[in-house]
Amino acid sequence: SQQGEEDPQALSIQEGENATMNCSYKTSINNLQWYRQNSGRGLVHLILIRSNEREKHSGRLRVTLDTSKKSSSLLITASRAADTASYFCATVVRIFVMRFGAGTRLTVKP
Amino acid sequence: DVKVTQSSRYLVKRTGEKVFLECVQDMDHENMFWYRQDPGLGLRLIYFSYDVKMKEKGDIPEGYSVSREKKERFSLILESASTNQTSMYLCASSGRTVQNYGYTFGSGTRLTVV
Repeated sequence: SQQGEEDPQALSIQEGENATMNCSYKTSINNLQWYRQNSGRGLVHLILIRSNEREKHSGRLRVTLDTSKKSSSLLITASRAADTASYFCATVVRIFVMRFGAGTRLTVKP
Repeated sequence: DVKVTQSSRYLVKRTGEKVFLECVQDMDHENMFWYRQDPGLGLRLIYFSYDVKMKEKGDIPEGYSVSREKKERFSLILESASTNQTSMYLCASSGRTVQNYGYTFGSGTRLTVV
């Protein structure tokens, strides 16, 4: 089963709008990470939030974490066409090993 | 610029062939990983290695083997390729502190078995 599960599976918005993606997970975590994947390429690490943090910002990215609900959200503000990609959350499930969800496919229309 | 390099972007192989997918990292990372990615299934871990000559099975090791003779290189081997192994294969590496820095991924190899 997926440790991280993203919601929605696909999201389509206009340039300039905000995009919000959610992630739920099953077990306790030390941190949760978000990755981005452009079409046909590898994943790129975006941001990490630790279990004792509730919110973190990096440029136009804002990540929240609610450990009581075992959920996280990634907000991209003022989206651009170049933000079109798939976004994955990931958690460490055992030492060294991370498990990824199926991802949210974001399309930003110019 | 640090990187993980996968030897091929695209590969087409025939059923029954022995296939080698190569991955090299230049970050002196201890840990290396092979995932496969299929639509709707996300990334699934095939094998990983936490040191030279050390390997552990992931979630879907059947039909695959790996080799790590040098720290920087981690090879995925399909002993006898089958059509259900057609997929995107992603290599990743991390230092011991995966909790702090996460993974660095290669660009992926899209393998088609015909």
